[in-house]
Amino acid sequence: KAGVTQTPRYLIKTRGQQVTLSCSPISGHRSVSWYQQTPGQGLQFLFEYFSETQRNKGNFPGRFSGRQFSNSRSEMNVSTLELGDSALYLCASSLVMGTTEAFFGQGTRLTVV
Amino acid sequence: ELKVEQNPLFLSMQEGKNYTIYCNYSTTSDRLYWYRQDPGKSLESLFVLLSNGAVKQEGRLMASLDTKARLSTLHITAAVHDLSATYFCAVAGTASKLTFGTGTRLQVTL
Repeated sequence: KAGVTQTPRYLIKTRGQQVTLSCSPISGHRSVSWYQQTPGQGLQFLFEYFSETQRNKGNFPGRFSGRQFSNSRSEMNVSTLELGDSALYLCASSLVMGTTEAFFGQGTRLTVV
Repeated sequence: ELKVEQNPLFLSMQEGKNYTIYCNYSTTSDRLYWYRQDPGKSLESLFVLLSNGAVKQEGRLMASLDTKARLSTLHITAAVHDLSATYFCAVAGTASKLTFGTGTRLQVTL
């Protein structure tokens, strides 16, 4: 059974650019959550998608957005990148919202220069 | 707002010793998770604790949950070098949203 797949694994962008990250959940899982991990702020919840709808959102500016497709794959987009957006972005896959198991992908390491 | 406090932040211990990591949280929740993270890697699920008094064990790690005290512990028995990693507790809030503790970086030395 394939796990959670995040692409790309590494990314280097320049300030002011935008970036799109992708997450394919475990087959059959319909809930996808995104987290940002930085040394200073730790792991912080970005948003959660279920059935192509955003169900929950963390305290991040509007530059951070996402969407989910009918096959449950999710993308997150960060516009007008800032140096502080450099982080490991993790995607978590769950069968449905609020279930007991959340499985994480390998993450995308974003560096903004 | 749910807050999760984890301590200690850093733990250096000798092989063969026992120690406990603590995780306190501020509001009622029905799920508490423990994850392991190796440097540069993702989060590996260790335990999911669902009810008061729940205790789960896997190898040298044992996790417990006291929902009345809003406290979970991760106990390490006879530590070995392979357990060196960062350990996070996470508490479930609305739907699938997890609020993470700060993490405990465990270093096991010979």
